[in-house]
Amino acid sequence: GAVVSQHPSWVICKSGTSVKIECRSLDFQATTMFWYRQFPKQSLMLMATSNEGSKATYEQGVEKDKFLINHASLTLSTLTVTSAHPEDSSFYICSARNPAGGPREQYFGPGTRLTVT
Amino acid sequence: GENVEQHPSTLSVQEGDSAVIKCTYSDSASNYFPWYKQELGKGPQLIIDIRSNVGEKKDQRIAVTLNKTAKHFSLHITETQPEDSAVYFCAASKANTGNQFYFGTGTSLTVIP
Repeated sequence: GAVVSQHPSWVICKSGTSVKIECRSLDFQATTMFWYRQFPKQSLMLMATSNEGSKATYEQGVEKDKFLINHASLTLSTLTVTSAHPEDSSFYICSARNPAGGPREQYFGPGTRLTVT
Repeated sequence: GENVEQHPSTLSVQEGDSAVIKCTYSDSASNYFPWYKQELGKGPQLIIDIRSNVGEKKDQRIAVTLNKTAKHFSLHITETQPEDSAVYFCAASKANTGNQFYFGTGTSLTVIP
């Protein structure tokens, strides 16, 4: 079945540095990928929708200059957290949509745990 | 936009009993309703989904019911086992549009051995 991977699975960085998280669709081409953020004991909150070859669409309240999203190919989207601060510590989850269809609408990655010290 | 509400937020059941989690949605145009199980530190795993052209779907111990008129859908887990303990999320979306999922607030299910 369709698989979505994320790398790294966890990362610790110092305040002020930037961190890049990768989301890959391993066996299908994803024209649309979604990035979610999840704080402890809370639900998944959509941050942005990423379409291959075009600029990402950010949800209200999400700083596009802080959370840089690049969807340069049909199998890879990246989220870069720039100038990270402790409040950016969270679980980041991506999902991908297979335009060829299939039983599911979106396929979720395993998530990336970011801790900013 | 869509608003999905989920109840209860926590649920404890004895092993072997049934668990029911309920969700409501606001946008009558939503037509795809997946349920996800999330274990600590992991991404959400789809356990069952239903589309608006059916009222019920079952997969072994798991079933989902949908009432389009009332705009609510429910997850039913029968013969619960300790490994069913996790956080469960419902979601609503418009199928085949590439639109986002709107998630409920989650239900923490604990199955007591």
